[in-house]
Amino acid sequence: DIQMTQSPSSLSASVGDRVTITCQASQDISNYLNWYQQKPGKAPKLLIYDASNLETGVPSRFSGSGSGTDFTFTISSLQPEDIATYYCQQYDNLLSFGGGTKVEIK
Amino acid sequence: QLQLQESGPGLVKPSETLSLTCTVSGGSISSSSYYWGWIRQPPGKGLEWIGSIYYSGSTYYNPSLKSRVTISVDTSKNQFSLKLSSVTAADTAVYYCARLPGYCSGGSCYSRLNWFDPWGQGTLVTVSS
Repeated sequence: DIQMTQSPSSLSASVGDRVTITCQASQDISNYLNWYQQKPGKAPKLLIYDASNLETGVPSRFSGSGSGTDFTFTISSLQPEDIATYYCQQYDNLLSFGGGTKVEIK
Repeated sequence: QLQLQESGPGLVKPSETLSLTCTVSGGSISSSSYYWGWIRQPPGKGLEWIGSIYYSGSTYYNPSLKSRVTISVDTSKNQFSLKLSSVTAADTAVYYCARLPGYCSGGSCYSRLNWFDPWGQGTLVTVSS
């Protein structure tokens, strides 16, 4: 099984701040890594696929990078509507999610 | 626009079998490019992939749940279903169904376990006597 470790588990930042979340895989997963946003009471929404490809309609302030075992998700300028929990997910070997990062406004 | 809707009992007794159905509308479950999947989320916790199915009936399961999970498909009803046996309180969760869209290359599209999009709204199942 491939384990996905996200950090931090939560963070607090101000509107306009740059926010970075990391996701580490327990083994090399190439670029088979996706990112989701989940707002309270809602289903997750795909933001980024294949580590760095922005899903259609997703604002350009969201971005992703990385390959192998280490990945980064960035919000370039945090907006109030970005308050959510973010999850990474690998698909190199079956499917598994990271533990999530809750993003709050300071 | 493809939509998915989960349905089934909201309350299941311990040791019994949880059964849910996902109805797909706005598209065919028999598309050769897609897998379909179940994901769950215990209250206040993270996401866990349960398993996925192709329209032909081919399945993949999370190894941690494999002994208790059965996923099936009914193409005539455009539905796929989840059965989870011998449930305990630890199986209390919001259960989501979703599509795995595969990928396209060189003018052709291929099925693959890749990402989940779109998702159903989710349904809360509580395990309690």
